[in-house]
Amino acid sequence: GAGVSQSPSNKVTEKGKDVELRCDPISGHTALYWYRQSLGQGLEFLIYFQGNSAPDKSGLPSDRFSAERTGGSVSTLTIQRTQQEDSAVYLCASSPDRGEWAQYFGPGTRLLVL
Amino acid sequence: GNSVTQMEGPVTLSEEAFLTINCTYTATGYPSLFWYVQYPGEGLQLLLKATKADDKGSNKGFEATYRKETTSFHLEKGSVQVSDSAVYFCALRKRTGGFKTIFGAGTRLFVKA
Repeated sequence: GAGVSQSPSNKVTEKGKDVELRCDPISGHTALYWYRQSLGQGLEFLIYFQGNSAPDKSGLPSDRFSAERTGGSVSTLTIQRTQQEDSAVYLCASSPDRGEWAQYFGPGTRLLVL
Repeated sequence: GNSVTQMEGPVTLSEEAFLTINCTYTATGYPSLFWYVQYPGEGLQLLLKATKADDKGSNKGFEATYRKETTSFHLEKGSVQVSDSAVYFCALRKRTGGFKTIFGAGTRLFVKA
């Protein structure tokens, strides 16, 4: 079946602009995660959605970052007033809420802030 | 708090060498443990998992055993191939108190022909 998809695959923007990154999880997966992977670094957790529960936003680095998930499916990560340090690969993953607990990752969006 | 510590890379091996990538964790209770792999230019994908103590996860010739007494989940492979060159991430996920997965920093493996 279809995996997790993300768009755009690459995004170049100017400092100060807003960007929106989209994630389409695997159908039927109730959990959705956003991570950030900077060059040569590990994964930094950003935010987690589980069903209709309030999202876990504990990883968002500043109030410039926000995310929403509409209808329990598609999610959008928004970065306002981008800074150069926001340049990274943004990864989305989804997971069933039961079962093997593993996460299925999308290919990521590579963001470059000039 | 919960954390995962991996050996620092890069690890460089010749083809057919034995591989060990160390991973230790800190967590209360009984987390599930995972190894993910990221091949060059690709996204992360699950390599193997173990959900309780003494479980052995295995896939593609890789193995890791959940050792609660040493809080470890070391990744091993008896004979690596050039195609195994990738970044390997150890991760844990607790069953209660939230569903956040904690990832290690990753270990880059280079396998030379």
